[in-house]
Amino acid sequence: KQEVTQIPAALSVPEGENLVLNCSFTDSAIYNLQWFRQDPGKGLTSLLLIQSSQREQTSGRLNASLDKSSGRSTLYIAASQPGDSATYLCAVMEGGSEKLVFGKGTKLTVNP
Amino acid sequence: DAGVIQSPRHEVTEMGQEVTLRCKPISGHNSLFWYRQTMMRGLELLIYFNNNVPIDDSGMPEDRFSAKMPNASFSTLKIQPSEPRDSAVYFCASSFGTISNQPQHFGDGTRLSIL
Repeated sequence: KQEVTQIPAALSVPEGENLVLNCSFTDSAIYNLQWFRQDPGKGLTSLLLIQSSQREQTSGRLNASLDKSSGRSTLYIAASQPGDSATYLCAVMEGGSEKLVFGKGTKLTVNP
Repeated sequence: DAGVIQSPRHEVTEMGQEVTLRCKPISGHNSLFWYRQTMMRGLELLIYFNNNVPIDDSGMPEDRFSAKMPNASFSTLKIQPSEPRDSAVYFCASSFGTISNQPQHFGDGTRLSIL
């Protein structure tokens, strides 16, 4: 059974700092890996999707990497801003299915 | 473009009552997903449909839960009878394609409280 773990559960940083969020998964037979952002009281917003054949994806100040063999992904946020404060969730799509398995998220607070 | 629309946004009811959650997916999307989010268990997939057909309902907790998708623009998740442990935020999401590298788009959820 696929399990997704995110470390740390919470992170507080000063504005301007570069930071890394970690995600690990137990079964490397994935179709893709996705990073989402969730603001309080809201649904999830897709940030980046990395296909199983890819190593990384970039969007603005965000860069996500994927090491499928070791079951790890990282989300790098450059020059963090208070508006980046949210919960970030990692999810893997299992091979042969549209089913996403989510981690419990990392709650990020960026202090002005 | 309108995103995924869920109703109601909040629902408070007494245990034993029937609860119906509604979802309108993004037009043109052919996959629809129902999730439940709790502090203890995080975000869990309950059921998903492709082209209005249920594909995987292995996450539906028990027979009290049922989901339907009568057409491409509407889905319901029903709980009957409801219990306090069903209290959670329920999300609907939709995506384009079948087992594709297209992201899922989420609604803002229904916060359900069963007293």
